Amino acid sequence: EAGVAQSPRYKIIEKRQSVAFWCNPISGHATLYWYQQILGQGPKLLIQFQNNGVVDDSQLPKDRFSAERLKGVDSTLKIQPAKLEDSAVYLCASRGQGRALNNSPLHFGNGTRLTVT
Amino acid sequence: AQKVTQAQTEISVVEKEDVTLDCVYETRDTTYYLFWYKQPPSGELVFLIRRNSFDEQNEISGRYSWNFQKSTSSFNFTITASQVVDSAVYFCALSERGGRANYGGSQGNLIFGKGTKLSVKP
Repeated sequence: EAGVAQSPRYKIIEKRQSVAFWCNPISGHATLYWYQQILGQGPKLLIQFQNNGVVDDSQLPKDRFSAERLKGVDSTLKIQPAKLEDSAVYLCASRGQGRALNNSPLHFGNGTRLTVT
Repeated sequence: AQKVTQAQTEISVVEKEDVTLDCVYETRDTTYYLFWYKQPPSGELVFLIRRNSFDEQNEISGRYSWNFQKSTSSFNFTITASQVVDSAVYFCALSERGGRANYGGSQGNLIFGKGTKLSVKP
């Protein structure tokens, strides 16, 4: 089974520039998450999709961050304009549908390491 | 509010030593799930174990063991006879049941602790 694919692996941009990250979840996984992991901290949820609908985006800074999952498969996360504090690893995760999602593990990609200078 | 605390920021041991990583959680839910993930230098988060709030049985898997104590809200992780390949950051996480819509009956967002960096020296 192929894992969660993310690209690019690394990205360096200047502040106020735009950047986009891409995620391809495990085939058949209906639930997709974007997490932000700042150096030295645990991942924090940015947004959760169920198929192509947003389930939870309460922690997404909507003035600069946006995400979509138009066909319920791939997803993109965009930052425009970027700030220095956006430097972090952006992790995508997916989870299959089952009787009890709460106890099924999330499968994570390798992440995109963003550096904003 | 849900919260996960991993008080140990960094631990350094010599190979073959046993090491225990601590995790304390807070939640108002009566049903919840706890997880441990490993994050090697490559960056990917690797799932290790999950435990639900109704199952307080300890579990052993090879050199790994987990001690879940509901009375103290702790879910500690022990590595026996540590190896250099165990060097990584380990995260404890709590599954949250909140969220807006109710797709499929659950949300399942994970709330992570800050992680414990384990260094195993040869």
